Amino acid sequence: DVKVTQSSRYLVKRTGEKVFLECVQDMDHENMFWYRQDPGLGLRLIYFSYDVKMKEKGDIPEGYSVSREKKERFSLILESASTNQTSMYLCASSLVGGGNYGYTFGSGTRLTVV
Amino acid sequence: GESVGLHLPTLSVQEGDNSIINCAYSNSASDYFIWYKQESGKGPQFIIDIRSNMDKRQGQRVTVLLNKTVKHLSLQIAATQPGDSAVYFCAENIDAGGTSYGKLTFGQGTILTVHP
Repeated sequence: DVKVTQSSRYLVKRTGEKVFLECVQDMDHENMFWYRQDPGLGLRLIYFSYDVKMKEKGDIPEGYSVSREKKERFSLILESASTNQTSMYLCASSLVGGGNYGYTFGSGTRLTVV
Repeated sequence: GESVGLHLPTLSVQEGDNSIINCAYSNSASDYFIWYKQESGKGPQFIIDIRSNMDKRQGQRVTVLLNKTVKHLSLQIAATQPGDSAVYFCAENIDAGGTSYGKLTFGQGTILTVHP
């Protein structure tokens, strides 16, 4: 019963390409997040959204943008992919309220920029 | 600073042993803690959580202990199995008076390897 779905497990893109990473959740969660995960650096927050059409920068937003037109979908956009954006990208969602801050993660998208 | 960290980056145990993974946090305003397990090539999966008004919480083969005095969190896995081999992350939520939007801060992770 997959609850957070990332559209691609593996992607290979060329430098300068515009890249879209899609994430869909079916749990009616308000919050959605995009992280990148690199060896030795752990999980770093790129952007998050706490409502439709709302977005907040995380710790490393440079080179990325996001879109949340519908509650269930949160897209990460690399405007012009660069080799230093080669990484594992993880999407997550969570409820707000009721003291429940746990995240549900997707399976990840491993992006390679060549 | 506001950070979540781990004492040991790797842990190797024999099958059947008990495992203990540790995590230190520095923010006394943290009110909620979670342990995640991440297997190779997969996203992190929730294991167990604990709120700051508790000292201990048990699940199936797992126990989380919270020591607020020394700002320390641990995950104990009983009778460790090869399927437990993974990276384990702790995460904290800092109570920012309702403005944090449930944003977690993650530790670096500990690699647990279980030998048959």
